[in-house]
Amino acid sequence: DQQVKQNSPSLSVQEGRISILNCDYTNSMFDYFLWYKKYPAEGPTFLISISSIKDKNEDGRFTVFLNKSAKHLSLHIVPSQPGDSAVYFCAAPAAGNDMRFGAGTRLTVKP
Amino acid sequence: NAGVTQTPKFQVLKTGQSMTLQCAQDMNHNSMYWYRQDPGMGLRLIYYSASEGTTDKGEVPNGYNVSRLNKREFSLRLESAAPSQTSVYFCASSEVTARNQPQHFGDGTRLSIL
Repeated sequence: DQQVKQNSPSLSVQEGRISILNCDYTNSMFDYFLWYKKYPAEGPTFLISISSIKDKNEDGRFTVFLNKSAKHLSLHIVPSQPGDSAVYFCAAPAAGNDMRFGAGTRLTVKP
Repeated sequence: NAGVTQTPKFQVLKTGQSMTLQCAQDMNHNSMYWYRQDPGMGLRLIYYSASEGTTDKGEVPNGYNVSRLNKREFSLRLESAAPSQTSVYFCASSEVTARNQPQHFGDGTRLSIL
């Protein structure tokens, strides 16, 4: 039962352009969402989060948008840099202390 | 800053062997977690410990046991390894188990069971 879905396994963008990573969820009880970034051979690191009472949260080049009616969120990276090349995971705290992760999207930013 | 340290980084086991994965954090966090990551899937929670002295099951606990040895250390044990347990295992910690608390992850243990 994959409650958090990232349907695009990979995304390639040119340096300086916008990267848009998408995430869909099925559980309407989710009230908080987090994005993690993962480099090869390293653990995920927290990037940005958003509460369901907001529809946007911005931190530097990173902005997360939440559309509750569509059960959809997206992470925008502007401008994209080669160092942003990584796997990005969307996650949501579920019942109890469980955290549900999407399968991840591999972003490649080409110089 | 070490953060969350996992040992070993790699391990190959034969079916039926036992193994303990070690995890330690130096951030004085109360809560610790064990996840597994399989190809094409997100991380799935195996067990967590909200505080020293407590442990609880996550989404996929079967075949595993855990021990919260003290505030710093949280180990994961496979008593009788099976090929289905071939995975990358991540340990994580957070200050508390609040829903909005980001977790800090170790670099993972890649475990292969033949």
